[in-house]
Amino acid sequence: KQEVTQIPAALSVPEGENLVLNCSFTDSAIYNLQWFRQDPGKGLTSLLLIQSSQREQTSGRLNASLDKSSGRSTLYIAASQPGDSATYLCAVGTYGQNFVFGPGTRLSVLP
Amino acid sequence: GAGVSQSPSNKVTEKGKDVELRCDPISGHTALYWYRQSLGQGLEFLIYFQGNSAPDKSGLPSDRFSAERTGGSVSTLTIQRTQQEDSAVYLCASSLERGGNDEQFFGPGTRLTVL
Repeated sequence: KQEVTQIPAALSVPEGENLVLNCSFTDSAIYNLQWFRQDPGKGLTSLLLIQSSQREQTSGRLNASLDKSSGRSTLYIAASQPGDSATYLCAVGTYGQNFVFGPGTRLSVLP
Repeated sequence: GAGVSQSPSNKVTEKGKDVELRCDPISGHTALYWYRQSLGQGLEFLIYFQGNSAPDKSGLPSDRFSAERTGGSVSTLTIQRTQQEDSAVYLCASSLERGGNDEQFFGPGTRLTVL
């Protein structure tokens, strides 16, 4: 059964820093991985989707990479801003299983 | 175009009552998912609909939970005889299809409080 973990659980950085959020999964038989952000009391907003055949995806200041063989994905946020403060979740689509979400990383970007 | 919508946004009910939660997916999306997010917990998969296929109900926590999807569009999640542990945010998501290009789009959720 797929298990997804995220490190760190929480992160606080000053505005302008580049940062990396980590997502690990145990079963490499995935067909995609998706990164989301969740603001307090809100639903999830899709950030990036990486298909299993891809190594990375970029959107603006965000870059997500995928290493299927090692069971890892990273979300890189460049030049962080206070508006980036949210909880970031990764979700893994695995063949023969339902989507499994990680517990999230709670990010605070201080002005 | 319009995103995924859910209603009501908040629902407060008494223990033992039945509740219905509604999800309107993005038009044209064949896949629809229900998840539950309890306070301080991660997202928990409940049920998945794909087109006209039989739904995957493997995540439903008990037989008090059921869901249907009419006409391949709107879905209703029903919780019978609600218990306090059912209190959570119920999130619905839809995607074009299931597979590598299966980007899920979420609704704002329904916050259920069982007193």
